[in-house]
Amino acid sequence: KAGVTQTPRYLIKTRGQQVTLSCSPISGHRSVSWYQQTPGQGLQFLFEYFSETQRNKGNFPGRFSGRQFSNSRSEMNVSTLELGDSALYLCASSSMTKSIGELFFGEGSRLTVL
Amino acid sequence: DQQVKQNSPSLSVQEGRISILNCDYTNSMFDYFLWYKKYPAEGPTFLISISSIKDKNEDGRFTVFLNKSAKHLSLHIVPSQPGDSAVYFCAAIGQGGSEKLVFGKGTKLTVNP
Repeated sequence: KAGVTQTPRYLIKTRGQQVTLSCSPISGHRSVSWYQQTPGQGLQFLFEYFSETQRNKGNFPGRFSGRQFSNSRSEMNVSTLELGDSALYLCASSSMTKSIGELFFGEGSRLTVL
Repeated sequence: DQQVKQNSPSLSVQEGRISILNCDYTNSMFDYFLWYKKYPAEGPTFLISISSIKDKNEDGRFTVFLNKSAKHLSLHIVPSQPGDSAVYFCAAIGQGGSEKLVFGKGTKLTVNP
């Protein structure tokens, strides 16, 4: 069974640009959530999607957005990039029938903003 | 306002000894607690969890203890192995069926041979 796949793995952008990150969940998983990992803040919840609907949103500015498609694949977008957006962005999927909170994470997309 | 705190950024133990990783939380509405392990260049992987109605859960070498009155949980690894060297994240989840986890900042465990 293939794991969670995130693309691209690494990318470099400059301030003011925008970026789109993609996530393919484990087959059959309908819940996809996104987290930002930075050295100072640890993992912080961005948003969660289930059946194409955003169920929960973290405390991030509106520049951060996401969506989920009918095949459960998800994308997140960050507009008007700032230096502080440099981070590892992790996508996780879950089956909702497994243990509560048991998420399956991808390897992440490492974004560097110059 | 950090709701889940891991006050030790790092911990070093000898192979074969016990590793104890600690975690404190402030939100009494948390219903479930989890530990995740993360190796460099990999995503976090689920390790073990505990419901708020229990005080202990064991899975092989890993045991999680929950003290609700103190809002404290700990992960015990016995015996520790070099392959356990990783960053360990404590996480909590509230009620409602959402998969929104609140993570601590992590503790880097190093197990020395």
